[in-house]
Amino acid sequence: NAGVTQTPKFRILKIGQSMTLQCTQDMNHNYMYWYRQDPGMGLKLIYYSVGAGITDKGEVPNGYNVSRSTTEDFPLRLELAAPSQTSVYFCASSFTGVNTEAFFGQGTRLTVV
Amino acid sequence: QQQVKQSPQSLIVQKGGISIINCAYENTAFDYFPWYQQFPGKGPALLIAIRPDVSEKKEGRFTISFNKSAKQFSLHIMDSQPGDSATYFCAASKGGATNKLIFGTGTLLAVQP
Repeated sequence: NAGVTQTPKFRILKIGQSMTLQCTQDMNHNYMYWYRQDPGMGLKLIYYSVGAGITDKGEVPNGYNVSRSTTEDFPLRLELAAPSQTSVYFCASSFTGVNTEAFFGQGTRLTVV
Repeated sequence: QQQVKQSPQSLIVQKGGISIINCAYENTAFDYFPWYQQFPGKGPALLIAIRPDVSEKKEGRFTISFNKSAKQFSLHIMDSQPGDSATYFCAASKGGATNKLIFGTGTLLAVQP
């Protein structure tokens, strides 16, 4: 019953460093999403994928990249970290798209200093 | 047109009282309106959802009221309990592989014992 698993849970990055946030799901969901959550701003979609090999930009994609080589994994890459990327990042998945239940991971709290 | 406006930002309710959170949307093409509940340190989890062909949906103490003509929907929590203390997000989407789930900014609910 793992669901959506994100690693790491916490990370501190220095400005200009890069890192990959890992996300894996064991529910055989086709759709996967990356959101960022900032205080008072709700959740903003960064990137999403409708299946292996297919990704597309969300509302706030700048500074991020994704890949989807398998159904299970959807890593988020931050290149040249900036303080504006300090946030809590959530990965989510759903079986058939936006009009069905999305299952979220527990989040990664990232601080860029 | 893609916004979902949520109010209030925070809410304090006494145990046993009714908690009411409101959301308004602009895009009349939206056809799925979920509410997500998020506890501190956790990812959001689907609480209840409604589609525009009904005006109300009830699950236990949680009810969504939907007013299509006013483009508004609300979450009512009856007999609120301290365990309901969490952040609640409304959201909206329209079907289709390339469409996104748009979240409101969240309401922090505190139920006092």
